[in-house]
Amino acid sequence: QKEVEQDPGPLSVPEGAIVSLNCTYSNSAFQYFMWYRQYSRKGPELLMYTYSSGNKEDGRFTAQVDKSSKYISLFIRDSQPSDSATYLCAMRTKTSYDKVIFGPGTSLSVIP
Amino acid sequence: KAGVTQTPRYLIKTRGQQVTLSCSPISGHRSVSWYQQTPGQGLQFLFEYFSETQRNKGNFPGRFSGRQFSNSRSEMNVSTLELGDSALYLCASSLKSISIMNTEAFFGQGTRLTVV
Repeated sequence: QKEVEQDPGPLSVPEGAIVSLNCTYSNSAFQYFMWYRQYSRKGPELLMYTYSSGNKEDGRFTAQVDKSSKYISLFIRDSQPSDSATYLCAMRTKTSYDKVIFGPGTSLSVIP
Repeated sequence: KAGVTQTPRYLIKTRGQQVTLSCSPISGHRSVSWYQQTPGQGLQFLFEYFSETQRNKGNFPGRFSGRQFSNSRSEMNVSTLELGDSALYLCASSLKSISIMNTEAFFGQGTRLTVV
């Protein structure tokens, strides 16, 4: 079992839909959680960063962490065609950056 | 300001050869981190250089090495290439070391290496 699991998709939704992207993990020592967006032929860009459990909102994006269930989510409201990309979750422990683990990514297509 | 520049964008090498990839960070950034991205393993951290010193290292064999110059430009070298080294190699630059958690790293477009 991989440390971080993520449904690879592809996920296809109509414009305006609410998108839910999810990751599960097995290492209870993870405390920092990140979401990256990667457009085709581009490098990843950091979207959201959260520490421990709870919600964090930034515009149309909401990141949610449930440490008890070892489950994190990224919600995208009012999805746009420009949101079409691969979304990677990433997480690390408090002390070791070389332990940062990325999920395999979910490919999202928002259809106009 | 200019972003992170990686050269070359595409590269084809044969098994057993070595390769050197280059990364020019955003002006003023002192940290350069390298990552390998493959469909099977996803994005994996290779190592970070900060002020010409390797600060962090991932779990890759010694065939993967790097260095950083005084102008913060970094090179990554892979020796004795294997078919499994075919991947997208990404570098990311940041103002501070990525050991500082809320430091944002900016990624380049990557170098697509194919080993045949």
